[in-house]
Amino acid sequence: DTGVSQDPRHKITKRGQNVTFRCDPISEHNRLYWYRQTLGQGPEFLTYFQNEAQLEKSRLLSDRFSAERPKGSFSTLEIQRTEQGDSAMYLCASSSSGRGLAGGLKSYEQYFGPGTRLTVT
Amino acid sequence: GEDVEQSLFLSVREGDSSVINCTYTDSSSTYLYWYKQEPGAGLQLLTYIFSNMDMKQDQRLTVLLNKKDKHLSLRIADTQTGDSAIYFCAETRYNFNKFYFGSGTKLNVKP
Repeated sequence: DTGVSQDPRHKITKRGQNVTFRCDPISEHNRLYWYRQTLGQGPEFLTYFQNEAQLEKSRLLSDRFSAERPKGSFSTLEIQRTEQGDSAMYLCASSSSGRGLAGGLKSYEQYFGPGTRLTVT
Repeated sequence: GEDVEQSLFLSVREGDSSVINCTYTDSSSTYLYWYKQEPGAGLQLLTYIFSNMDMKQDQRLTVLLNKKDKHLSLRIADTQTGDSAIYFCAETRYNFNKFYFGSGTKLNVKP
Protein backbone atom coordinates (compact mmCIF):
# COMPACT_ATOMS: atom_id res chain seq x y z
CA ASP A 1 0.00 0.00 0.00
CA THR A 2 1.61 3.22 -1.16
CA GLY A 3 -0.86 5.62 0.41
CA VAL A 4 -2.67 8.49 -1.29
CA SER A 5 -0.71 9.96 -4.19
CA GLN A 6 -1.18 13.26 -6.01
CA ASP A 7 0.20 14.53 -9.26
CA PRO A 8 1.79 16.92 -9.96
CA ARG A 9 3.35 17.97 -6.66
CA HIS A 10 3.91 21.51 -7.93
CA LYS A 11 2.27 23.51 -10.68
CA ILE A 12 3.05 27.04 -11.79
CA THR A 13 0.64 28.54 -14.26
CA LYS A 14 -0.28 31.90 -15.67
CA ARG A 15 -3.52 33.60 -14.82
CA GLY A 16 -6.28 32.53 -17.16
CA GLN A 17 -4.88 29.07 -17.91
CA ASN A 18 -6.63 25.82 -17.02
CA VAL A 19 -5.02 23.27 -14.71
CA THR A 20 -5.87 19.70 -13.78
CA PHE A 21 -4.71 17.76 -10.77
CA ARG A 22 -4.92 14.03 -10.17
CA CYS A 23 -5.44 12.06 -6.97
CA ASP A 24 -4.99 8.30 -6.60
CA PRO A 25 -6.54 7.15 -3.32
CA ILE A 26 -5.59 4.08 -1.33
CA SER A 27 -6.78 1.23 -3.49
CA GLU A 28 -9.69 -0.13 -1.45
CA HIS A 29 -10.96 3.29 -0.35
CA ASN A 30 -14.33 4.28 -1.79
CA ARG A 31 -14.50 7.73 -0.19
CA LEU A 32 -12.45 10.57 -1.67
CA TYR A 33 -12.19 14.20 -0.57
CA TRP A 34 -10.62 17.34 -2.03
CA TYR A 35 -9.48 20.23 0.17
CA ARG A 36 -7.71 23.53 -0.37
CA GLN A 37 -5.17 24.83 2.12
CA THR A 38 -3.74 28.34 2.08
CA LEU A 39 -0.79 29.55 4.15
CA GLY A 40 -1.57 29.71 7.83
CA GLN A 41 -4.95 28.06 7.47
CA GLY A 42 -6.36 24.60 7.91
CA PRO A 43 -7.69 22.55 5.01
CA GLU A 44 -10.99 23.84 3.60
CA PHE A 45 -13.39 21.20 2.34
CA LEU A 46 -14.11 21.41 -1.40
CA THR A 47 -15.89 18.25 -2.45
CA TYR A 48 -16.57 14.61 -1.59
CA PHE A 49 -17.06 11.47 -3.68
CA GLN A 50 -18.43 8.15 -2.61
CA ASN A 51 -17.36 5.75 -5.34
CA GLU A 52 -18.05 7.69 -8.55
CA ALA A 53 -20.85 9.84 -7.12
CA GLN A 54 -20.09 13.41 -6.09
CA LEU A 55 -22.23 13.72 -2.96
CA GLU A 56 -21.06 17.02 -1.47
CA LYS A 57 -19.77 20.28 -2.90
CA SER A 58 -18.70 23.28 -0.88
CA ARG A 59 -19.95 26.76 -1.62
CA LEU A 60 -16.24 27.53 -2.10
CA LEU A 61 -16.29 25.46 -5.28
CA SER A 62 -17.09 28.08 -7.89
CA ASP A 63 -18.19 27.33 -11.45
CA ARG A 64 -14.54 27.38 -12.51
CA PHE A 65 -13.85 24.28 -10.42
CA SER A 66 -14.93 20.81 -11.43
CA ALA A 67 -14.06 17.42 -10.03
CA GLU A 68 -14.61 13.94 -11.38
CA ARG A 69 -14.11 10.39 -10.28
CA PRO A 70 -15.27 8.49 -13.36
CA LYS A 71 -14.61 4.91 -12.31
CA GLY A 72 -14.65 5.31 -8.58
CA SER A 73 -10.87 5.06 -8.36
CA PHE A 74 -8.68 8.09 -9.18
CA SER A 75 -10.10 11.60 -9.21
CA THR A 76 -9.28 14.79 -11.07
CA LEU A 77 -9.80 18.39 -10.01
CA GLU A 78 -9.82 20.97 -12.80
CA ILE A 79 -9.62 24.72 -12.36
CA GLN A 80 -10.54 26.76 -15.41
CA ARG A 81 -9.38 30.34 -16.04
CA THR A 82 -7.14 30.34 -13.00
CA GLU A 83 -6.91 33.45 -10.83
CA GLN A 84 -4.16 34.50 -8.44
CA GLY A 85 -6.51 33.75 -5.54
CA ASP A 86 -6.49 30.10 -6.57
CA SER A 87 -2.86 29.80 -5.44
CA ALA A 88 -2.93 27.24 -2.64
CA MET A 89 -2.12 23.67 -1.72
CA TYR A 90 -4.75 21.26 -3.02
CA LEU A 91 -5.08 18.20 -0.83
CA CYS A 92 -6.75 14.89 -1.52
CA ALA A 93 -7.79 12.42 1.17
CA SER A 94 -9.43 9.02 1.12
CA SER A 95 -11.16 6.65 3.50
CA SER A 96 -13.13 3.45 3.45
CA SER A 97 -16.74 2.70 4.29
CA GLY A 98 -17.59 -0.43 6.15
CA ARG A 99 -16.40 -1.87 9.39
CA GLY A 100 -13.00 -2.83 10.63
CA LEU A 101 -11.97 -6.04 12.31
CA ALA A 102 -13.22 -4.85 15.69
CA GLY A 103 -16.59 -3.87 14.20
CA GLY A 104 -15.95 -0.16 14.37
CA LEU A 105 -16.50 2.12 11.41
CA LYS A 106 -13.47 2.62 9.17
CA SER A 107 -14.81 5.82 7.67
CA TYR A 108 -13.25 7.97 10.36
CA GLU A 109 -9.72 7.05 9.24
CA GLN A 110 -9.10 9.68 6.57
CA TYR A 111 -5.66 9.58 4.97
CA PHE A 112 -4.17 12.56 3.18
CA GLY A 113 -1.93 12.77 0.15
CA PRO A 114 1.10 15.09 -0.01
CA GLY A 115 -0.82 17.76 -1.94
CA THR A 116 -0.36 19.72 -5.15
CA ARG A 117 0.99 23.23 -4.68
CA LEU A 118 -0.49 25.61 -7.25
CA THR A 119 1.07 28.98 -7.95
CA VAL A 120 -0.80 31.30 -10.30
CA THR A 121 1.34 34.15 -11.65
CA GLY B 1 -22.19 26.25 12.44
CA GLU B 2 -19.00 24.96 10.94
CA ASP B 3 -16.47 27.00 12.89
CA VAL B 4 -13.53 25.26 14.50
CA GLU B 5 -11.19 27.54 16.44
CA GLN B 6 -7.72 27.01 17.80
CA SER B 7 -5.06 29.18 19.37
CA LEU B 8 -2.25 29.92 16.93
CA PHE B 9 0.91 29.16 18.88
CA LEU B 10 2.17 27.12 21.81
CA SER B 11 5.75 26.94 23.05
CA VAL B 12 6.94 24.36 25.59
CA ARG B 13 10.20 22.92 26.82
CA GLU B 14 11.26 19.41 25.97
CA GLY B 15 9.96 16.95 28.55
CA ASP B 16 7.02 19.14 29.60
CA SER B 17 3.42 18.39 28.73
CA SER B 18 1.71 20.29 25.92
CA VAL B 19 -2.00 21.04 25.86
CA ILE B 20 -3.54 22.19 22.60
CA ASN B 21 -7.11 23.45 22.73
CA CYS B 22 -9.92 23.60 20.21
CA THR B 23 -13.51 24.81 20.26
CA TYR B 24 -16.22 24.00 17.75
CA THR B 25 -19.73 25.25 17.19
CA ASP B 26 -21.58 22.40 15.48
CA SER B 27 -23.59 20.46 18.06
CA SER B 28 -24.12 17.72 15.43
CA SER B 29 -20.41 16.90 15.38
CA THR B 30 -19.97 13.18 15.76
CA TYR B 31 -16.24 12.54 15.41
CA LEU B 32 -13.51 14.94 16.45
CA TYR B 33 -9.93 14.58 15.28
CA TRP B 34 -6.40 15.70 15.79
CA TYR B 35 -4.00 15.83 12.84
CA LYS B 36 -0.31 16.71 12.74
CA GLN B 37 1.41 18.51 9.87
CA GLU B 38 5.16 18.81 9.68
CA PRO B 39 6.82 21.31 7.31
CA GLY B 40 6.45 20.24 3.69
CA ALA B 41 4.46 17.15 4.62
CA GLY B 42 0.83 16.07 4.38
CA LEU B 43 -1.56 15.75 7.29
CA GLN B 44 -1.08 12.77 9.56
CA LEU B 45 -4.02 11.44 11.55
CA LEU B 46 -3.01 11.30 15.21
CA THR B 47 -6.16 10.33 17.03
CA TYR B 48 -9.91 10.87 17.14
CA ILE B 49 -12.74 10.69 19.63
CA PHE B 50 -16.41 9.91 19.26
CA SER B 51 -18.78 12.52 20.67
CA ASN B 52 -20.21 10.19 23.30
CA MET B 53 -16.79 9.77 24.90
CA ASP B 54 -15.12 12.28 27.19
CA MET B 55 -11.58 10.95 27.16
CA LYS B 56 -9.31 8.82 25.01
CA GLN B 57 -5.71 7.91 25.72
CA ASP B 58 -3.24 6.62 23.17
CA GLN B 59 0.35 6.31 24.41
CA ARG B 60 1.58 9.88 25.00
CA LEU B 61 -1.61 11.43 23.66
CA THR B 62 -4.71 12.17 25.73
CA VAL B 63 -7.82 13.64 24.14
CA LEU B 64 -10.40 15.31 26.37
CA LEU B 65 -13.85 16.27 25.11
CA ASN B 66 -16.30 18.54 26.89
CA LYS B 67 -19.36 18.21 24.72
CA LYS B 68 -21.40 20.71 26.75
CA ASP B 69 -18.83 23.44 26.16
CA LYS B 70 -17.87 22.10 22.70
CA HIS B 71 -14.25 22.06 23.78
CA LEU B 72 -11.62 19.54 22.69
CA SER B 73 -8.05 19.30 23.91
CA LEU B 74 -4.97 17.28 23.02
CA ARG B 75 -2.40 16.65 25.71
CA ILE B 76 1.03 15.43 24.67
CA ALA B 77 3.00 13.99 27.57
CA ASP B 78 6.81 14.24 27.69
CA THR B 79 6.90 16.50 24.63
CA GLN B 80 9.88 15.92 22.34
CA THR B 81 11.51 18.16 19.73
CA GLY B 82 10.10 15.81 17.10
CA ASP B 83 6.61 16.87 18.21
CA SER B 84 7.24 20.36 16.81
CA ALA B 85 4.61 20.76 14.08
CA ILE B 86 1.23 22.29 13.36
CA TYR B 87 -1.68 20.50 15.01
CA PHE B 88 -5.15 20.68 13.48
CA CYS B 89 -8.43 19.97 15.15
CA ALA B 90 -11.22 18.72 12.85
CA GLU B 91 -14.82 17.57 13.12
CA THR B 92 -17.36 15.71 11.06
CA ARG B 93 -20.92 14.47 11.35
CA TYR B 94 -22.16 10.89 11.36
CA ASN B 95 -22.10 10.49 7.55
CA PHE B 96 -18.46 11.60 7.13
CA ASN B 97 -19.42 13.62 4.03
CA LYS B 98 -17.62 16.79 5.13
CA PHE B 99 -14.78 17.55 7.49
CA TYR B 100 -14.12 20.97 9.01
CA PHE B 101 -10.67 21.94 10.21
CA GLY B 102 -9.37 24.63 12.53
CA SER B 103 -6.57 26.96 11.47
CA GLY B 104 -3.96 24.96 13.34
CA THR B 105 -1.80 25.45 16.42
CA LYS B 106 1.94 25.70 15.83
CA LEU B 107 3.74 23.81 18.59
CA ASN B 108 7.34 24.82 19.20
CA VAL B 109 9.34 22.52 21.48
CA LYS B 110 12.49 24.08 22.91
CA PRO B 111 15.37 21.78 23.87
